[in-house]
Formats: sequence, C-alpha cells, structure tokens
Amino acid sequence: EAQVTQNPRYLITVTGKKLTVTCSQNMNHEYMSWYRQDPGLGLRQIYYSMNVEVTDKGDVPEGYKVSRKEKRNFPLILESPSPNQTSLYFCASSLSLLRETQYFGPGTRLLVL
Amino acid sequence: GNSVTQMEGPVTLSEEAFLTINCTYTATGYPSLFWYVQYPGEGLQLLLKATKADDKGSNKGFEATYRKETTSFHLEKGSVQVSDSAVYFCALSEKAGGTSYGKLTFGQGTILTVHP
Repeated sequence: EAQVTQNPRYLITVTGKKLTVTCSQNMNHEYMSWYRQDPGLGLRQIYYSMNVEVTDKGDVPEGYKVSRKEKRNFPLILESPSPNQTSLYFCASSLSLLRETQYFGPGTRLLVL
Repeated sequence: GNSVTQMEGPVTLSEEAFLTINCTYTATGYPSLFWYVQYPGEGLQLLLKATKADDKGSNKGFEATYRKETTSFHLEKGSVQVSDSAVYFCALSEKAGGTSYGKLTFGQGTILTVHP
C-alpha cells in the first residue's frame, strides 16, 4: 500500500530533550516536506527536500533540523525542544515538483512541557 | 507573499443541506488551487484541485471552480452527508514556468459538522 508513515504518533517530552520524528514514504517520491498545524493558522511549512541531500527552509524553520540521506526517509529533528513547538506535525511527499499532489502522513502530536 | 483566506467556521449543517465554504487567495504568480480534507485523527487527503483559471475540480460530489477574476476557489456540495464531517483546507501551490515551487500555502481550515 502506497503511504507516508510517521513515528511516533504521540509524544510528550520536556524542554531541551532532543527528539526525532521519523517520516518514511514507499512511493519513490522525490519531494518531501514537513508542516506544523496550529489552531487558526492552518498548516505552515517547516522544511522541504527536493531530493537526496537537497533540503531548504520553509516558512517556520527556527528550532528544527532535517536530513535527507535516503530518498524514502526525511526525519525532523528538534535539538532543544521548547513549549512553543507543541503542535501537530505532518510529513508530506509528492512524486516531483511537476506533480503537485502531496500525500500526507497521519500526523505526530507533540507536547513539550 | 502568498496567502489563503477561508470563511470562518465552524459550519454546522443538517444532512442533505447545501454546502459552501468560501476561499479566496492572494498570489503573485499563477497558482494551482487545492482543497484538502482532514477526517478526525487522520492526515490530510487531497479532495480536488484545479491548475488554471476556469478549471473545475470535482470529487465525491464536491466541486470548486478556479475564478481568477475574483481570486476565489469556493467549495460546494449539493447534499452533504454525516460522513462529510471533517476539517476542510483550501491551499495554493505557486508555479513559475510550469514548475511548482512545491510549497503548499494553506488557509486556516473550516470545521464542518453534519447532523443526521
């Protein structure tokens, strides 16, 4: 089944404790990105990657890192989480920039205390 | 910069009622327009899209027409069902020379609740 998977689905952590949210897609998609969803703000892009080893900042990159060492995986890293990073996070992928339809993972709900 | 504005929610309807969710956008280029739907506890799914002016996207009884003159992409359905209860997001993807920049700019989302 074609899908985007994220782990964990729920996470409670404390300020300053490094964490990684994994994202994997099995569709051989080139383009992957991370969004955060906050009430009243919709979804905002954090980082994106156009292919292996090619990443760039989105609209709200502060406090986040990403890497793209393999085509299928695009982990989101919070080196020192803070309470304002409490949010619902979505990973998305698309075949390429020419194929605009993006496929979303199920989401990761993060609470930073 | 680009932006998408959706009508304020939440929207509550009875089954078989007519649905309209308004969406207007601001973009410097020639965007593609999308409606995504998010069912409770799930990720977003593409509902429909339109890539150029006057295109109509349709799926599952939902429709939206790309109106460049009014910069709008309103979502409509003639008869809603309880199973349509979800959050609906309008979004745009800006393009240049036919190639998407990739990033989706979302509206704030509209919560739809349909009662039997």
